[in-house]
Amino acid sequence: QQPVQSPQAVILREGEDAVINCSSSKALYSVHWYRQKHGEAPVFLMILLKGGEQKGHEKISASFNEKKQQSSLYLTASQLSYSGTYFCGTEEGSNYKLTFGKGTLLTVNP
Amino acid sequence: NAGVTQTPKFQVLKTGQSMTLQCAQDMNHEYMSWYRQDPGMGLRLIHYSVGAGITDQGEVPNGYNVSRSTTEDFPLRLLSAAPSQTSVYFCASRVTVGAEQYFGPGTRLTVT
Repeated sequence: QQPVQSPQAVILREGEDAVINCSSSKALYSVHWYRQKHGEAPVFLMILLKGGEQKGHEKISASFNEKKQQSSLYLTASQLSYSGTYFCGTEEGSNYKLTFGKGTLLTVNP
Repeated sequence: NAGVTQTPKFQVLKTGQSMTLQCAQDMNHEYMSWYRQDPGMGLRLIHYSVGAGITDQGEVPNGYNVSRSTTEDFPLRLLSAAPSQTSVYFCASRVTVGAEQYFGPGTRLTVT
């Protein structure tokens, strides 16, 4: 079952902030975040694990609420290079599947 | 390391034809997966494997077959192509659960 992402799309000006949300109805072991540029493969940003461990890029921040099975990705002081589609992926505690949401299209304008 | 490689990059099939999309990784990753990407649908899991000889179905497995005889290779077979299988296919691998997943460059498949 795909996790649910919101919003579907967001438009920013350079320097503005954005939050992308991800939620699941299943008990999660981890939440992954990836960014995809048009015509390219998704690229890893961050993983948040049950229990509080985080792995990923220093300039990206995210949170994982284990009680609510929700995660948020925080993009601060956005740059033009942040433009792309952001996907959250979830791993359930009971199996090894990594399933992704439908994505959030982020556009950063000058 | 070459990472995750996929062949071909582009393919056009006629309805009813069969073909195999190739995927290989040289990182000794146990976990490998196939996804399809369609506009507005995100990345949907087709099949996945947690090691040589072990495969399981994802969200959209119908019309596709997989096998995993080696750690390195995870081919995806289309048994009888249909226009609904027109999509971009990504292969991915990761060393274990809770680890970064690496994606291949993708195969763009068109079924006419």
